[in-house]
Amino acid sequence: EPEVTQTPSHQVTQMGQEVILRCVPISNHLYFYWYRQILGQKVEFLVSFYNNEISEKSEIFDDQFSVERPDGSNFTLKIRSTKLEDSAMYFCASSDGGRQGETQYFGPGTRLLVL
Amino acid sequence: AQSVSQHNHHVILSEAASLELGCNYSYGGTVNLFWYVQYPGQHLQLLLKYFSGDPLVKGIKGFEAEFIKSKFSFNLRKPSVQWSDTAEYFCAVIPKAAGNKLTFGGGTRVLVKP
Repeated sequence: EPEVTQTPSHQVTQMGQEVILRCVPISNHLYFYWYRQILGQKVEFLVSFYNNEISEKSEIFDDQFSVERPDGSNFTLKIRSTKLEDSAMYFCASSDGGRQGETQYFGPGTRLLVL
Repeated sequence: AQSVSQHNHHVILSEAASLELGCNYSYGGTVNLFWYVQYPGQHLQLLLKYFSGDPLVKGIKGFEAEFIKSKFSFNLRKPSVQWSDTAEYFCAVIPKAAGNKLTFGGGTRVLVKP
């Protein structure tokens, strides 16, 4: 069964450094998402992406964040200058359509620790 | 803004016991409702979802959930759990009028003792 994959599984970085989290969505999917879960808190939506554009973003997704589909298979989340509070598990998801409530398939997550 | 509440943070039960996990949402309009499960070391996967029609929804692995509109609830049930149901369970909502972003509850960790 096709799966969403994410790399790396864990990343440790210093405050102020840039990080890029990578995701390979399911191959025929067209809609891509990033969510995050700070330890002990709820999973929160960050951004959705379709047709090479951001379709929706949350208030968390400020100018420090960006997303890109650099080629036909990868979907990346970049944090330009990491802060301590960016430490979280970051989940990528994809869906094959954008219809209301289309099932989103999640990757295993990247655990980011900012020191 | 909509929110989702899961009342139990942790549930411990024995095999063959029945399971019911509560989920309530706050949103005045119509919603799509989901239950996701995360088994240890694995990724979030969909258990079941409700869009419309029969409010009793059956999902994978013997799970079902009932949408009660008047109570803004979507509780998850399984009549007889197995050790392999040990996992964290997340309720989530997408309001029909609001794009395709999932709003999650806080999750319930379920431990099934053999």
